Amino acid sequence: EDQVTQSPEALRLQEGESSSLNCSYTVSGLRGLFWYRQDPGKGPEFLFTLYSAGEEKEKERLKATLTKKESFLHITAPKPEDSATYLCAVGSNYQLIWGAGTKLIIKP
Amino acid sequence: EAQVTQNPRYLITVTGKKLTVTCSQNMNHEYMSWYRQDPGLGLRQIYYSMNVEATDKGDVPEGYKVSRKEKRNFPLILESPSPNQTSLYFCASSFSGVPYEQYFGPGTRLTVT
Repeated sequence: EDQVTQSPEALRLQEGESSSLNCSYTVSGLRGLFWYRQDPGKGPEFLFTLYSAGEEKEKERLKATLTKKESFLHITAPKPEDSATYLCAVGSNYQLIWGAGTKLIIKP
Repeated sequence: EAQVTQNPRYLITVTGKKLTVTCSQNMNHEYMSWYRQDPGLGLRQIYYSMNVEATDKGDVPEGYKVSRKEKRNFPLILESPSPNQTSLYFCASSFSGVPYEQYFGPGTRLTVT
């Protein structure tokens, strides 16, 4: 069964304290791994797509990496405005399989 | 501005009263989808559409209907809403389904009493 698990469920960091979010997956025939950011009361906003193991993508303080079983979203020197829920999804046939998300809180 | 719009944004209704949530996109996307989001369960797909007149069930289609008569519009219909359909609903669109990124609407918060 296709499945996506994100950890931790919640993460509290001080401003400037780097860390990583994890997304582990099992899927038959990966068609992309996606990271989204969701702010309270809003729709998810696309961040990255990774297609193959070893691939990396960066955007400002965020860097996403992919292996055959998991993906990491590394956050370097985060700021309070990085506080959000980060969602991971994997592409399988015509659907995205979503994780439950990691709620990230950055304290000033 | 490229966007996905949903209406209404908030809706409180009673059990059994038919309702429609509209979704429209201005990006000429072929693929559109409806999700519901519940605490601790993540996003679950209700229905999706690969193109006009082509719709298919997602993971949780019971109690919902959709139609795709025009490329830009993808309404979600609840013919007889029940309290377990109280949720946050999102419409999304993409160029051509997986593996293209999806663009989401602002959400519709539905409460069924």
